Amino acid sequence: GESVGLHLPTLSVQEGDNSIINCAYSNSASDYFIWYKQESGKGPQFIIDIRSNMDKRQGQRVTVLLNKTVKHLSLQIAATQPGDSAVYFCAEKLDGDSNYQLIWGAGTKLIIKP
Amino acid sequence: NAGVMQNPRHLVRRRGQEARLRCSPMKGHSHVYWYRQLPEEGLKFMVYLQKENIIDESGMPKERFSAEFPKEGPSILRIQQVVRGDSAAYFCASQSGTDYGYTFGSGTRLTVV
Repeated sequence: GESVGLHLPTLSVQEGDNSIINCAYSNSASDYFIWYKQESGKGPQFIIDIRSNMDKRQGQRVTVLLNKTVKHLSLQIAATQPGDSAVYFCAEKLDGDSNYQLIWGAGTKLIIKP
Repeated sequence: NAGVMQNPRHLVRRRGQEARLRCSPMKGHSHVYWYRQLPEEGLKFMVYLQKENIIDESGMPKERFSAEFPKEGPSILRIQQVVRGDSAAYFCASQSGTDYGYTFGSGTRLTVV
């Protein structure tokens, strides 16, 4: 789940519409998942996380869905705004108290059309 | 809490010079990660450190690159004899060791001329 030398896939959404960003994770033993948002010129920032014993978690305008059967994670953003334009990264953590490292997905660039 | 502090924000080096990138983790955070990012690309893991220990350096080139996280002071990523291909944004993230989320700094943008 680490991005190496690949240009980011892009998702274009009309302002006001809902966005769904998808992420396929690699390891069925992962027990924790997290989404980050990276705006241009800035470091990634935490959006929302979810543990493997949950299917869904909601935040402010964002919802994360976890489907462990197909190892799929999605981030839904309701009523997208121009400020939502950014690159979105998912990350997973392998099960185990001694595993602290996050394994990062490739990222998706979200473009909001006016 | 000032968050994760990286400096400098921008660094210009001539080919062959050394680049030193500093990262002060959040207060109470004992885990530090360094990532490299090229424009329009994802995050490439370089190294994971805890105080005075390198835990995983599998993403760091064996030559010219080194990292440390001393008992006192910031974590340092050092790049010796820089080449044009080292030009990138380098991000540091810290982690408490009890919560799994990372807190990222604003990055250092290295340009090699």
